[in-house]
This record gives sequence, structure tokens and C-alpha cells, in this order.
Amino acid sequence: QSALTQPPSASGSPGQSVTISCTGTSSDVDDYNYVSWYQQHPGKAPKLMIYEVNKRPSGVPDRFSGSKSGNTASLTVSGLQAEDEADYYCTSYGGSYTWMFGGGTKLTVL
Amino acid sequence: EVQLLQSGGGLVQPGGSLRLSCAASGLSFRNFAMSWVRQGPGKGLEWVSFISGSGATRNYADAVKGRFTVSRDNSNNTLYLHLYSLGAEDMGIYYCAKMKGAAGPEMYSFDYWGQGALVTVSS
Repeated sequence: QSALTQPPSASGSPGQSVTISCTGTSSDVDDYNYVSWYQQHPGKAPKLMIYEVNKRPSGVPDRFSGSKSGNTASLTVSGLQAEDEADYYCTSYGGSYTWMFGGGTKLTVL
Repeated sequence: EVQLLQSGGGLVQPGGSLRLSCAASGLSFRNFAMSWVRQGPGKGLEWVSFISGSGATRNYADAVKGRFTVSRDNSNNTLYLHLYSLGAEDMGIYYCAKMKGAAGPEMYSFDYWGQGALVTVSS
């Protein structure tokens, strides 16, 4: 059960787009289309932003999108807004009812 | 509206034990699998445990296997996590989380989270 690899930080100016990567292995990200992304503001519980690689829950702005290629998944935030500044975590199902999270990426809106 | 209300965190001595609870409302609790996820101080999220809707299937992260036990009481819509042999590495905020779907692909993400319960291990 190894953690997925995310860059520790990312940044962009308001209105710009930023992409956060999430690299796993052939046993998790590459093997299952069960990658999800979570947004966490300081002191708050995580919030589901993307599930099954590229699906958005009701209420999540379409500025948030997800994709996957091989063992790397990505979250793209378009039209950055100040409220998007938060920590973002990816997670992947790893089989046999196990999940692994990425280390998290701190997104700064400049 | 789905709500997950947690209780049971606190200060415990090294080697001690604790029980966390997560009371669910606004959903057919028995139909949904649940998980526990923790976050060490200043650290990232870590999946801890999974339990199916019926309770028949359970699994744990290697770091807690043999020391933590997940259970649920579907008649009272409550999820539990029993923590034993606690060490400094177990400190942090513990979240209960509902799996998004009752079955199929939607079952593999966490769509509702509790407010978190702080576990502190110190003598």
C-alpha cells in the first residue's frame, strides 16, 4: 500500500488553468478507473471534486476536470478563483478493498 | 441531507485504546459501505479501514492491521472504529467517510465525510 505521488505545490493566477498530477502504479491508477480527487480547506473535512477519473458530483463547478493516462491521473482547474486555493488529494482504489491517497498538493492562487 | 456526526476522540496514553463513533443520518445506512481515513498533524490523508454495508467485508491498511477494528450497527446507523495499542504514529484527525454508491463503480469514492475526531497519544 504505497502512497500515490503528487507535486507538493502548484500555483496559478486568477483566470488561469493549473493541472495537478497523481502518479501511481500498474496495480492501482493504471489498473482501475477509480481515481477520485478531494479538495480540503484548512481545518475542514475533504470534499469530493472528481470521481471515477473524470466525473463531477452535483454542485462541483465544471471548471474542475479529471483525466488519466496509464498510471498517471490529472486534475485540471480552469479559470482559477481565489476560493480554489486549498490542498488537493488524489486517491485510487488498489484492489481487495484498499485505497491509497496521494501526498497532497497545495494549490496557491497568486 | 446526509450527515455524519463523529464522537469519541481524545487523549490516550501510549499503548492505550479508544473507540470512535460516526452516527449517520439522511441515508439508508445499511446500503452503503463506509471507510475511515486519518490525517496526521500537518500531513496528508491516509486510508485506514473499509467495511461493507452488511459488515461482512472489512479491510485495513497495513499500518493498523491487527490493532484497529471496524464495525457497524445498522440498527442504530452508527459506524465504529476501535483503536488498540496506540502509538505516536496514530495521532491525528480521524474521519469517517461514506462510499458514494451502494454498489458498482460509484462505490469506490468517498462522497460524504464526518467532521473529524482528534486522537492524541501522549503520556
